[in-house]
Amino acid sequence: EILLTQSPGTLSLSPGERASLSCRASQSVSNTYLAWYQQKPGQAPRLVIYGASRRATGIPDRFSGSGSGTDFTLTISRLEPEDFAVYYCQQYGASSWTFGQGTKVEVK
Amino acid sequence: QVQLVQSGAEVKKPGASVKVSCKASGYIFTSYYMHWVRQAPGQGLEWMGVFNPNGQTTTTYAPKFQGRVTVTADTSTSTVYMELSSLRSDDTAVYYCARVDAGLMDVWGKGTTVTVSS
Repeated sequence: EILLTQSPGTLSLSPGERASLSCRASQSVSNTYLAWYQQKPGQAPRLVIYGASRRATGIPDRFSGSGSGTDFTLTISRLEPEDFAVYYCQQYGASSWTFGQGTKVEVK
Repeated sequence: QVQLVQSGAEVKKPGASVKVSCKASGYIFTSYYMHWVRQAPGQGLEWMGVFNPNGQTTTTYAPKFQGRVTVTADTSTSTVYMELSSLRSDDTAVYYCARVDAGLMDVWGKGTTVTVSS
C-alpha cells in the first residue's frame, strides 16, 4: 500500500498570502492518479486538482498543482477567505486508493 | 445534475450491523464505479472500498475492512448499499459515497453519520 504523508499538518496564513502544501508518497505515484481535495467543516470533500496539475471544474486559477514521482505540491497563490479548509492528497494505484492525513489551512 | 443522496443518520450498538444507502441520479448508474470513504470525528479520510454497479467485476475492499463490509446495488433504483458488520465504537464516523471517474472521486454524497454506542 502506498502511504501519503502531508506537510505541514497546519498552515497558519493570512488572506492574500501564498500557501504551499506538500504530499510525499512512500513509492512512486503515476501523475495521472494524484489528486487533491478540499474539505470545509461539515461538508463533503470537493475535488480541486487531478492528474497532479489539472484543475477540476469550477476551481479558480489561484489553485495549482505540481510534482511527480513521490513529491507533489498544491499551491494557492493568494488565499481568499473561502480557501481556508483542510486539503487532502489522494492516490490511486493497483485497485487501491489512499489519502494523506490532511493539511489544515487556517487564518493566522 | 449529478447527485448522490445518502440515507439518514444511524445509531447502533456494538456488535450490530448498519446499512447505508446512496441513491444516484443525473447519470447512467451502471457506467460509473462507486467508492465508500469514511471519516471519524476530527480525523482524516479513510478509503473503504470501490464497487462496480454493473456487477461485472469484483468489488475491491481496503484490507482493513475485508470480511466486515459488503457493498451491493439495486440497479432498478440506482442505489448502492454499504453494510458494515460487527460494529465497534471506533466505527463511529461519517460515511460517504463518491462516484468514480477515471480513478477520481468527482461527485460526493453529503455523508451519513453512524454512531456506535452502548
